[in-house]
Amino acid sequence: DQQVKQNSPSLSVQEGRISILNCDYTNSMFDYFLWYKKYPAEGPTFLISISSIKDKNEDGRFTVFLNKSAKHLSLHIVPSQPGDSAVYFCAASSHSGNTPLVFGKGTRLSVIA
Amino acid sequence: ETGVTQTPRHLVMGMTNKKSLKCEQHLGHNAMYWYKQSAKKPLELMFVYNFKEQTENNSVPSRFSPECPNSSHLFLHLHTLQPEDSALYLCASSQDYSPVYYEQYFGPGTRLTVT
Repeated sequence: DQQVKQNSPSLSVQEGRISILNCDYTNSMFDYFLWYKKYPAEGPTFLISISSIKDKNEDGRFTVFLNKSAKHLSLHIVPSQPGDSAVYFCAASSHSGNTPLVFGKGTRLSVIA
Repeated sequence: ETGVTQTPRHLVMGMTNKKSLKCEQHLGHNAMYWYKQSAKKPLELMFVYNFKEQTENNSVPSRFSPECPNSSHLFLHLHTLQPEDSALYLCASSQDYSPVYYEQYFGPGTRLTVT
């Protein structure tokens, strides 16, 4: 059973608008969450992370929000740019031991100029 | 070369072939990983090596055999694969094995097709 779910396989957004990518998790032991970005023919690259002691983490145009009670996190990109078009993966881990990263299936974001 | 490199980038093999995937990292990291990404499935961890010792084997079939001769190189030896093993195989490395504290850097992957 999938522990990390990204229910939207794809998302299209106009340039300049906000992109919101969602991720749900089921394992209550997860307390550390990451977003990776992947361009075609390249490996995933780390984008932003959040620990469960926070409910928001911001880095430039990228903000991740965590709702622990709902076991939900979201990545906001504002403003969206054509170069943001990529596949975004949500991943989760735990501070308890060396819990491997558990990934979602990814959401393909297309930012239209 | 910088970062994490993988060769070959594409591989087509028959079910009776034996082939190897190679990964090299130029980051001075101590942990290396193999991941598999099948179509419409999440990225799945296969193996982890930390300081050349295997620390994770995620119930991977024995037709996949990893080898880590040193901290910079990681191989995945393939033999008698099945068509369902066709996937993108990604290598990654990190300073140490702790997903919470050490960022993983990924290579571009090898697209494997088993015919």
